Amino acid sequence: KAGVTQTPRYLIKTRGQQVTLSCSPISGHRSVSWYQQTPGQGLQFLFEYFSETQRNKGNFPGRFSGRQFSNSRSEMNVSTLELGDSALYLCASSREGAGTGELFFGEGSRLTVL
Amino acid sequence: ELKVEQNPLFLSMQEGKNYTIYCNYSTTSDRLYWYRQDPGKSLESLFVLLSNGAVKQEGRLMASLDTKARLSTLHITAAVHDLSATYFCAVDPRKLSFGAGTTVTVRA
Repeated sequence: KAGVTQTPRYLIKTRGQQVTLSCSPISGHRSVSWYQQTPGQGLQFLFEYFSETQRNKGNFPGRFSGRQFSNSRSEMNVSTLELGDSALYLCASSREGAGTGELFFGEGSRLTVL
Repeated sequence: ELKVEQNPLFLSMQEGKNYTIYCNYSTTSDRLYWYRQDPGKSLESLFVLLSNGAVKQEGRLMASLDTKARLSTLHITAAVHDLSATYFCAVDPRKLSFGAGTTVTVRA
């Protein structure tokens, strides 16, 4: 059974640019959530999507956005990149929704902003 | 605001000895998760604890949940080198809130 797939795995951007990250959940999983991991702030919840609807949102500025498609694949976008956006972005999927079932994490997308 | 506190943040273990990691959280939650992360890797699910008094064991790891005390423990029995990693607890069914993590190093 294929796991959660995130692309790209590594990317380098410059300040002011924007970036789009992709996440393909485990087949049959309809909930996708996103997390940012940094050495200083640890793991922080960004948002969660279920059946193409954003159900929950963390405390991040509007530069961080996401969406989910009908096949449950999800993308997150960060506009006007700042140095502090450098982080590992993790996507997780679950069958029923974040917190109601076990979450399975992808390998992450490591973003470096120069 | 939900706060999740883990302690200790760093744990140097001696092979063969037993240790415990504690996870306290500030608001009611009937679900608690433990994850393991190896350096440069993603999060691996260890345990999902779904009710008060839940206890789960896998190999040398055992996790328990006391929802009344808002406390979960991860007990490590007879530590071995392979257990070196960072361990996270997480709560809140709506938007998972993680503890800061406990970095475990096992020495001979």
